[in-house]
Amino acid sequence: SQTIHQWPATLVQPVGSPLSLECTVEGTSNPNLYWYRQAAGRGLQLLFYSVGIGQISSEVPQNLSASRPQDRQFILSSKKLLLSDSGFYLCAWSLKGRKREQYFGPGTRLTVT
Amino acid sequence: GEDVEQSLFLSVREGDSSVINCTYTDSSSTYLYWYKQEPGAGLQLLTYIFSNMDMKQDQRLTVLLNKKDKHLSLRIADTQTGDSAIYFCAESIGTGANNLFFGTGTRLTVIP
Repeated sequence: SQTIHQWPATLVQPVGSPLSLECTVEGTSNPNLYWYRQAAGRGLQLLFYSVGIGQISSEVPQNLSASRPQDRQFILSSKKLLLSDSGFYLCAWSLKGRKREQYFGPGTRLTVT
Repeated sequence: GEDVEQSLFLSVREGDSSVINCTYTDSSSTYLYWYKQEPGAGLQLLTYIFSNMDMKQDQRLTVLLNKKDKHLSLRIADTQTGDSAIYFCAESIGTGANNLFFGTGTRLTVIP
């Protein structure tokens, strides 16, 4: 069966510091991968999605970036965090051809102070 | 544009039915979804419905879709304390979409 891991579970970072959140998927090959952000009191917002290694599409321009160095690894990064980057970050995966069934990881709660 | 709306809170007594409502604006939605988020956890896909259906039932869960009014509901029969969570409605648009558009979520509290 497939599982998706995210770490860390919680993170407190000062403004201006770098960020690296990691997501890995087990039990499947060549998945579509997604990064979402859930800001307090708001719905989920798609940040990035990837259909393959090195292929990243950005939905929202911002100071975040994503990379997919391996087939089942998706990384969300920032060089300098802003206060507005605080939120709950969720990674998700889907099978090729079944992109509407997305399965989510446990999430990372990021607080920028 | 895509706009998915839900009420923020719902409280029900254990054993009663819960109905969580959602409205969306884009008439070209192809699939509509319900996700459950338990405290401190990620999202769990509960069920989804294709836009040309008007009802789907899965054990205690019933999804009703009124495409004319762009209204989606999730009914949970015999609600249990373990059903306490945030429930997200989501839609996907068109055939080439790679993402889902989520509502703000409804926090369901089940009172013992």
